[in-house]
Amino acid sequence: QKEVEQNSGPLSVPEGAIASLNCTYSDRGSQSFFWYRQYSGKSPELIMFIYSNGDKEDGRFTAQLNKASQYVSLLIRDSQPSDSATYLCAVRGNAGNMLTFGGGTRLMVKP
Amino acid sequence: DTEVTQTPKHLVMGMTNKKSLKCEQHMGHRAMYWYKQKAKKPPELMFVYSYEKLSINESVPSRFSPECPNSSLLNLHLHALQPEDSALYLCASSQEWWTGQPQHFGDGTRLSIL
Repeated sequence: QKEVEQNSGPLSVPEGAIASLNCTYSDRGSQSFFWYRQYSGKSPELIMFIYSNGDKEDGRFTAQLNKASQYVSLLIRDSQPSDSATYLCAVRGNAGNMLTFGGGTRLMVKP
Repeated sequence: DTEVTQTPKHLVMGMTNKKSLKCEQHMGHRAMYWYKQKAKKPPELMFVYSYEKLSINESVPSRFSPECPNSSLLNLHLHALQPEDSALYLCASSQEWWTGQPQHFGDGTRLSIL
């Protein structure tokens, strides 16, 4: 059974700090990796995706992928209170576009 | 605002009612999805349509009936639901089913069954 694991948190960081969110997955054939942000009562919003090993940066966000170790991470620099949300890691296997979601990590950024 | 539009935003219905959820996207995406999400849980896939044909049905009870009238629209018909069906129902779309392009979610319909 394909599994995606995240620490449920809450992960608490002070405003301006770097938040580091981690995700591990069990299926070595996984092809694509996504990070979604979900505010309470709202729908998931895509913030980053990564397909290749290494780092991918977009503004304050950096996604890191290490397929050999089967983990993907999301770094948020200069964290803001508005970043407080649940972050969902989603992994696509090698057949179709079915996503396996992790349970999400709740991030709290304190002013 | 998202490019995937869902209506209604909220729906309260009795167990004997029939209602429909609607989803619309104009991004030219050929894959559309229905998910169910309970509080503090990740989304659970229900159905996948690819080029207007049902590709995946994740063993969803028959009281949920999906329909894809055209490439931009996706409906979910509801009948004789149970209280445990109360949840956030999410529609998503992506360019294709067979590629790893991201799925984009609508704002969801919050469904309450009395």
